[in-house]
Amino acid sequence: DVKVTQSSRYLVKRTGEKVFLECVQDMDHENMFWYRQDPGLGLRLIYFSYDVKMKEKGDIPEGYSVSREKKERFSLILESASTNQTSMYLCASSFGRQGRYGYTFGSGTRLTVV
Amino acid sequence: TQLLEQSPQFLSIQEGENLTVYCNSSSVFSSLQWYRQEPGEGPVLLVTVVTGGEVKKLKRLTFQFGDARKDSSLHITAAQPGDTGLYLCAGAWAGNQFYFGTGTSLTVIP
Repeated sequence: DVKVTQSSRYLVKRTGEKVFLECVQDMDHENMFWYRQDPGLGLRLIYFSYDVKMKEKGDIPEGYSVSREKKERFSLILESASTNQTSMYLCASSFGRQGRYGYTFGSGTRLTVV
Repeated sequence: TQLLEQSPQFLSIQEGENLTVYCNSSSVFSSLQWYRQEPGEGPVLLVTVVTGGEVKKLKRLTFQFGDARKDSSLHITAAQPGDTGLYLCAGAWAGNQFYFGTGTSLTVIP
């Protein structure tokens, strides 16, 4: 069964900490995405990548960075966590141009920053 | 970012009832997807529609893409408790990446 795996289901971090969220896919997809999901705001795109070592800013990149050193792995980094980054973080992957064949999502990481 | 509106935001119905949820934009979609998200999980793709007027069926779910490709609907016949979840539409304009709506949260009461 193909899947996208996010390293943690729940995380609690302190304000100012550097936080790493890991995502691995086993489908050889070239495209990978990081979203955050908040009530009433839907899914908002943070960063995405169409190839190894390539990254593009999404709609809300401020306070985040990403790393894609290998095709199967896409990491989201919160440089200095703040309480307004408390959210559900979803990783997704797809093949083909910009997700037209659909995204496969991980189960999400619920991050709480205290 | 293009605006993509879903309605209703919340829907609570009894088992066996029919329902329709909507996804609308002021701009023409190049294609549109519907996802269902269960609590504590990521969204799962249900269908992709690309042609104006297209109708696709998935068991008791019927998806329709508007003739002008500015709107889409999801109709569920004889809803079951297992249909409970957040229904998300995701639209692309002029071939760009997909943007997600805020979703319709459906609860089917046994």
